[in-house]
Amino acid sequence: GAVVSQHPSWVICKSGTSVKIECRSLDFQATTMFWYRQFPKQSLMLMATSNEGSKATYEQGVEKDKFLINHASLTLSTLTVTSAHPEDSSFYICSARGRMRREKGNEQFFGPGTRLTVL
Amino acid sequence: KQEVTQIPAALSVPEGENLVLNCSFTDSAIYNLQWFRQDPGKGLTSLLLIQSSQREQTSGRLNASLDKSSGRSTLYIAASQPGDSATYLCAVSGGANSKLTFGKGITLSVRP
Repeated sequence: GAVVSQHPSWVICKSGTSVKIECRSLDFQATTMFWYRQFPKQSLMLMATSNEGSKATYEQGVEKDKFLINHASLTLSTLTVTSAHPEDSSFYICSARGRMRREKGNEQFFGPGTRLTVL
Repeated sequence: KQEVTQIPAALSVPEGENLVLNCSFTDSAIYNLQWFRQDPGKGLTSLLLIQSSQREQTSGRLNASLDKSSGRSTLYIAASQPGDSATYLCAVSGGANSKLTFGKGITLSVRP
């Protein structure tokens, strides 16, 4: 299957700082990337959807000024958590979907996740 | 609004047992359904994807079935092994460019 990487895999930061998380599709062109967050023992919550070259679409209740998403190329999307606070501590996972391929039915491929801890 | 339910939330079985994990969804107008595996602290690994026009997909010891009209999917795991211990999530998509709606997952523990 297609490979999606995330960097860093974990990060610890002080309250008030900003943190950038990268998501890369390594062997395919990702026309759409998704950002999720996951709390312990909970399922994934979609935060936003980004299409290459256009602004991200945020889910209801997600602050777009706090969670900045950039999808400048077909292989890279970034999520920046601005002025992070302890309540932003979570597991952030990205996924990527490539150009329509009938045999794959527009399958989504997920990154390994980034554990963010805000002190 | 699509809702995906996975019951039970947790399951413990002895090694070697064949098992079935269930997933149900409220809106039968889906585009496809995916089953994922998630190990603790890790991302998701796609196991199987079933198109809305398909009835089942198989990969090794895994078989996923889809009954769209009744809003159900099952993931069958044959001859379970301790390495199968993980959380299994199902997710449905409403269209080619739609987002995935996830269930809360089933945490499986296979005892040696």
